[in-house]
Amino acid sequence: IAGITQAPTSQILAAGRRMTLRCTQDMRHNAMYWYRQDLGLGLRLIHYSNTAGTTGKGEVPDGYSVSRANTDDFPLTLASAVPSQTSVYFCASRKGVRGQANTGELFFGEGSRLTVL
Amino acid sequence: SQQGEEDPQALSIQEGENATMNCSYKTSINNLQWYRQNSGRGLVHLILIRSNEREKHSGRLRVTLDTSKKSSSLLITASRAADTASYFCAMDQTGANNLFFGTGTRLTVIP
Repeated sequence: IAGITQAPTSQILAAGRRMTLRCTQDMRHNAMYWYRQDLGLGLRLIHYSNTAGTTGKGEVPDGYSVSRANTDDFPLTLASAVPSQTSVYFCASRKGVRGQANTGELFFGEGSRLTVL
Repeated sequence: SQQGEEDPQALSIQEGENATMNCSYKTSINNLQWYRQNSGRGLVHLILIRSNEREKHSGRLRVTLDTSKKSSSLLITASRAADTASYFCAMDQTGANNLFFGTGTRLTVIP
C-alpha cells in the first residue's frame, strides 16, 4: 500500500542520547516535512525538503537535523536529546513540482512518539 | 509562532447536528486546507480551498474562505459519531512552500 512509513512507532530515550527517526515514502513525492505535535500548540514545522538534495529550516529547527539523500527517505536526527523534545513527530510529503513552489495536500505518516527522560 | 488559530478549541454536539469550526490566519496564502486527526493517528486531508475561491463542498463538508478577513470555516452537516476527531486548518503560505497548521478543534459527536 502506497504511503509514508515512520519508525519507530514509539521510543523512550535517555537525555543526551542520539536518535534518528526514519521516514520513507513510496509515492515519489518531491517535498517532505517533519512536524512535531504538542498539546495546545498544534503542529509545528521542524525541517522540510522541497526536493532531493535540498533541505530547509521550519519554525522550530533547533536541536534537529535532516538529510535528503534521495527522493524516498527523509530521516530526522536528534544529536543530543533533551526532555523538551518529548513529543509526537509526524513526517509528511506532497507531490510538488520540481523547482517550483510546492502546493497541494499533505500525506502523513502515523507518527513517532518520543519520550526523553 | 503560531500561524493560525482555531475556534472553538473543543466542541461537543449530538449526532445529527451540524458542527462549525473557524480558523483565522495572519499571512497571505495560496490555499487553505483542512485536516482530520483521529486519536493517536496521523492527519488525513479533507478539503482544499484556493485563495480565489469563496466556498467549496465535499460530501457533508462545506468550507468557506474570506481572504479579506483572513478566516475560514469548516461545516460538517448531519454529524455522526464517527466524525469525532480533531480538525486542523492549514495555511499554504505564499512564498513559503510550507503548510502552517492551526491549533485544532477537538470535536466530540455524542451518539
